[in-house]
Amino acid sequence: DGGITQSPKYLFRKEGQNVTLSCEQNLNHDAMYWYRQDPGQGLRLIYYSQIVNDFQKGDIAEGYSVSREKKESFPLTVTSAQKNPTAFYLCASSIDRRGTYEQYFGPGTRLTVT
Amino acid sequence: SQQGEEDPQALSIQEGENATMNCSYKTSINNLQWYRQNSGRGLVHLILIRSNEREKHSGRLRVTLDTSKKSSSLLITASRAADTASYFCATDDSWGKLQFGAGTQVVVTP
Repeated sequence: DGGITQSPKYLFRKEGQNVTLSCEQNLNHDAMYWYRQDPGQGLRLIYYSQIVNDFQKGDIAEGYSVSREKKESFPLTVTSAQKNPTAFYLCASSIDRRGTYEQYFGPGTRLTVT
Repeated sequence: SQQGEEDPQALSIQEGENATMNCSYKTSINNLQWYRQNSGRGLVHLILIRSNEREKHSGRLRVTLDTSKKSSSLLITASRAADTASYFCATDDSWGKLQFGAGTQVVVTP
């Protein structure tokens, strides 16, 4: 059963704490992406990775960090430096980085920081 | 940066009616994709249309692309309550990354 999973579905944290969101895919895709979605808005790209041990900043990378030690895993850490971390976070993967291919999305993690 | 802009922002129709939404973009593209998002869920890919294509069909979906006007439209025919969702267009930039619009929220009432 191929797909992309994110955990947890809901996450609550206190301000000032770092938090790591999990993203795993078993589609054998090279490229993986992290997006942030705020209410009533589209997706904004945080980070993306085209290959293991390589990743690039997206449009809103400040306050976030990622790693890509394994092809199937692309965790996102929301650091205390992120000014407004409460949002819906979506992970996606595609065969490769080119926009020629569709992206497959996980179910998302809703992060609430108080 | 957001390249695609959907219009209208929201659309309410009755079951059986057609729903049309539009997407405009600013710079040249290689292809344009449409996605659907049910409330609180991830996005699901609907259709991809390449810059050299003008129209594409998939089931009850019809997508058109007019590169001279930098616009695309998504038509859902004979809508169903299950079509209630937000619909996003996405265009690829020069680096191959997708730029998503803010979406059109569609509500189909029985």
